Amino acid sequence: AQKITQTQPGMFVQEKEAVTLDCTYDTSDPSYGLFWYKQPSSGEMIFLIYQGSYDQQNATEGRYSLNFQKARKSANLVISASQLGDSAMYFCAMRLIQGAQKLVFGQGTRLTINP
Amino acid sequence: DAGITQSPRHKVTETGTPVTLRCHQTENHRYMYWYRQDPGHGLRLIHYSYGVKDTDKGEVSDGYSVSRSKTEDFLLTLESATSSQTSVYFCAISDVGLTNEKLFFGSGTQLSVL
Repeated sequence: AQKITQTQPGMFVQEKEAVTLDCTYDTSDPSYGLFWYKQPSSGEMIFLIYQGSYDQQNATEGRYSLNFQKARKSANLVISASQLGDSAMYFCAMRLIQGAQKLVFGQGTRLTINP
Repeated sequence: DAGITQSPRHKVTETGTPVTLRCHQTENHRYMYWYRQDPGHGLRLIHYSYGVKDTDKGEVSDGYSVSRSKTEDFLLTLESATSSQTSVYFCAISDVGLTNEKLFFGSGTQLSVL
C-alpha cells in the first residue's frame, strides 16, 4: 500500500529565507510519481512540482525544487527566497505509475511566511 | 485551467437525508476522483473511476457510492448523510499514459450535515 507522511504540521519562516518541507513515502512498487500541491486560503489545489521515481535529476520549477532521495524514500520540497504569498498549506502526494493510479496525500504542512 | 465544475459549491443538509454531489469535466480525461478534506487528515480518497461504469473504492468509501454513466460526469452520493460526513469534497481528473501527468482539481464543495 502507498503511504505519505508529512511530519511538520506547521512552519514559520522569515520572508526571503529558503524553506524545506519534509515528505517521506512508503511503497514497494518501483514505479511511482511524487507531487507537491499548494492550497492557499482560497481553497484551490495548485500543482507545484512532479518527480518520477526513475528521473535521474531532481525536479525544479522556478523557485520550487524537489530534493529526491530515493534510498531514504524522501521527497522534500524546497522553496527558495520565500515570499508572503507562499503562506499556504502544502501537500505531498504519490501515485503509482501502474495499476489504479490513485493519488495518495500526506496530512499537509501549514507554512506561514513572516514579513 | 482544466475544465472541472463541481456542484453545488455549498450544501447544508440534515442527518439521514440523501445527498448527491456532481463533478463535470470538459477535458475528456479518463480518470476521475473524489476526495474529502478534513483538518489533520489532508485529502483522503473516497472513490475513483477509470472509465465509464468503471469505479473502485478508496480509503474512506464507507457511506458513499459513486456512478459514472458518461465520461464527463462523476457523481458522489451520500445515501444517508451523517455528521461525520461534514467536510470539503474535491473532485479531480487526470489522463492516462503520461508519467508526469498531474491531477487537476475542482474548486471543492463545502458540505455541512446538521
